[in-house]
Amino acid sequence: EAGVTQFPSHSVIEKGQTVTLRCDPISGHDNLYWYRRVMGKEIKFLLHFVKESKQDESGMPNNRFLAERTGGTYSTLKVQPAELEDSGVYFCASSQDISRLYPGELFFGEGSRLTVL
Amino acid sequence: LAKTTQPISMDSYEGQEVNITCSHNNIATNDYITWYQQFPSQGPRFIIQGYKTKVTNEVASLFIPADRKSSTLSLPRVSLSDTAVYYCLVGDQGGGGGFKTIFGAGTRLFVKA
Repeated sequence: EAGVTQFPSHSVIEKGQTVTLRCDPISGHDNLYWYRRVMGKEIKFLLHFVKESKQDESGMPNNRFLAERTGGTYSTLKVQPAELEDSGVYFCASSQDISRLYPGELFFGEGSRLTVL
Repeated sequence: LAKTTQPISMDSYEGQEVNITCSHNNIATNDYITWYQQFPSQGPRFIIQGYKTKVTNEVASLFIPADRKSSTLSLPRVSLSDTAVYYCLVGDQGGGGGFKTIFGAGTRLFVKA
């Protein structure tokens, strides 16, 4: 069974440019999460999808970040325009069973490293 | 939001048992405690999860006292490949029924030969 896949693994862009990160969750997983770790900091929650709906986007830093999950399958995270402080590793995770009252087991991808110059 | 506190780093030797304790004084009634392991350049990987008392699987044991304000991850007979960062997470239910997993700084475990 394929795990959570993320693309690209590494992206280098200049300040002001746009980058789109993609996440393919494990098939059948309704829950999809985005996290990021900026340099030297902790892994921070960004947002949570249940199927195609944004369940919680309280962690999104500002309106330069846009996440979508059309059709409830893969998700994209667009940063436009990118700033220097957006550099870091962006992780995607998925899980099943939204009825649980606990996070359960999250399956993480290997992350997409973003470098903004 | 329940916040966790763990030691920043720990050293051990191969074959020893390692216990990593996490404090979560503000844990809520419905929160579960989950531990993840992360190797460099990889995403976190689930190790174990529990609500109270003791949970054991093929990889580790998790001890949770009655007040649930702390938990201890126990790794039996560690090997060099167990060198990684270990995160203690407390499940948090956000608004609208969503779940927000809060990562702390983690504990960097270094296993020596």
